[in-house]
Amino acid sequence: AQSVTQLDSHVSVSEGTPVLLRCNYSSSYSPSLFWYVQHPNKGLQLLLKYTSAATLVKGINGFEAEFKKSETSFHLTKPSAHMSDAAEYFCVVSVPDSWGKLQFGAGTQVVVTP
Amino acid sequence: GAVVSQHPSWVICKSGTSVKIECRSLDFQATTMFWYRQFPKQSLMLMATSNEGSKATYEQGVEKDKFLINHASLTLSTLTVTSAHPEDSSFYICSARRGADGGQPQHFGDGTRLSIL
Repeated sequence: AQSVTQLDSHVSVSEGTPVLLRCNYSSSYSPSLFWYVQHPNKGLQLLLKYTSAATLVKGINGFEAEFKKSETSFHLTKPSAHMSDAAEYFCVVSVPDSWGKLQFGAGTQVVVTP
Repeated sequence: GAVVSQHPSWVICKSGTSVKIECRSLDFQATTMFWYRQFPKQSLMLMATSNEGSKATYEQGVEKDKFLINHASLTLSTLTVTSAHPEDSSFYICSARRGADGGQPQHFGDGTRLSIL
């Protein structure tokens, strides 16, 4: 079975400091992993995806994530937080059934303080 | 690219009425579309998966007669909440994906806030 665990429900950072959002996955297969961001009352925006190519994946808005098979992790990072990064972040794994449904983590709320 | 438009963004209606929500992929053909429901401060809950030209596949516990899904073309899927009641009030989000490959990302609409009085 596929699942993801986001290790922090809430992260608070100061503007200009690094952001680290932790995600561990469980998968019987080589997983397809995604990070999405959701701003209040909005849908989800794709930040980046991993699909068994390079283990270091660069996304939009300065975010990147590293796939570590030995640690079953897919942590999301950004070197310098911006106020606009305040949002809910979801780590997601694709379930390799016939429809490729997504299994969502519980989400991490990011707060950015001036 | 990969823009998904969802309409309406907000709807308020009386108990017992039916509400239709549209989900359109504007710049790509979506073989597969998904409908989710999101409760406050929670993650997304998949309601159903729809493929163009075939019946939707509903998740366990989702009433198919209450939540009617139609995927009539490669760019349009609709969700109709029939005889809506206050407990159906929620944030509904659709997504669309090129093809059936789970490695392809889903692209999400901006959601519909449904309030039943």
